[in-house]
Amino acid sequence: EVQVVESGGGLVKPGGSLRLSCAASGFTFSKAWMSWVRQAPGKGLEWVGHIKKKSDGGTADYAAPVKGRFTISRDDSKNTLFLQMNSLKTEDTAVYFCTTDVLCSGGICLDYWGQGALVTVSS
Amino acid sequence: ESVLTQSPATLSLSPGQRATLSCRASQSVSSKLAWYQQKPGQAPRLLIYDASNRATGIPARFSGSGSGTDFTLTISSLEPEDFAVYYCQQRTNWPPWTFGQGTKVEIK
Repeated sequence: EVQVVESGGGLVKPGGSLRLSCAASGFTFSKAWMSWVRQAPGKGLEWVGHIKKKSDGGTADYAAPVKGRFTISRDDSKNTLFLQMNSLKTEDTAVYFCTTDVLCSGGICLDYWGQGALVTVSS
Repeated sequence: ESVLTQSPATLSLSPGQRATLSCRASQSVSSKLAWYQQKPGQAPRLLIYDASNRATGIPARFSGSGSGTDFTLTISSLEPEDFAVYYCQQRTNWPPWTFGQGTKVEIK
């Protein structure tokens, strides 16, 4: 069974930092592109960024609002994805979802999402 | 960057009716478009990927079409559980992988 579980959310002051983790299991993590998507309260979905699998270069891309402040990384030995968030702003307040790319195996094609981690940026 | 514009913002329909949702890209995204359904308090659920491929377990009443800049999600006959918000997302080789602003399908 595929599982994707975020952790590390919480309350942080503007200008502060927070690191989210995403523990993955049930699929070959090292072969998957992984993304972070966020959703501010009452708003739509916003792509934050993704990181490619190492065989595709292992590089990360970011949405303009977070570029230069957020860093996505991965530890394939621990099947874990990270989102380091620095210089946080009140507008970064959102539920942050960890998600896989579309994975096809044994005739099943799906992507997988965690339950989300709430990040609140407030003084 | 390709901006995705979804229409209408809200669709008011009755169970059994056909729903047609539109997603227009500001520049071509080829067939690299996905559709998601989201219900309150839940993570999004993938319905369609690569414009027209249904994800596993998605009922046949959901279908996707289009390529380039114009895409459509059709729900052939609305079931009570289909009332939700729907998002399109482009996944080309050139990030960002933007989402549309969403279409809410509500019960009339």
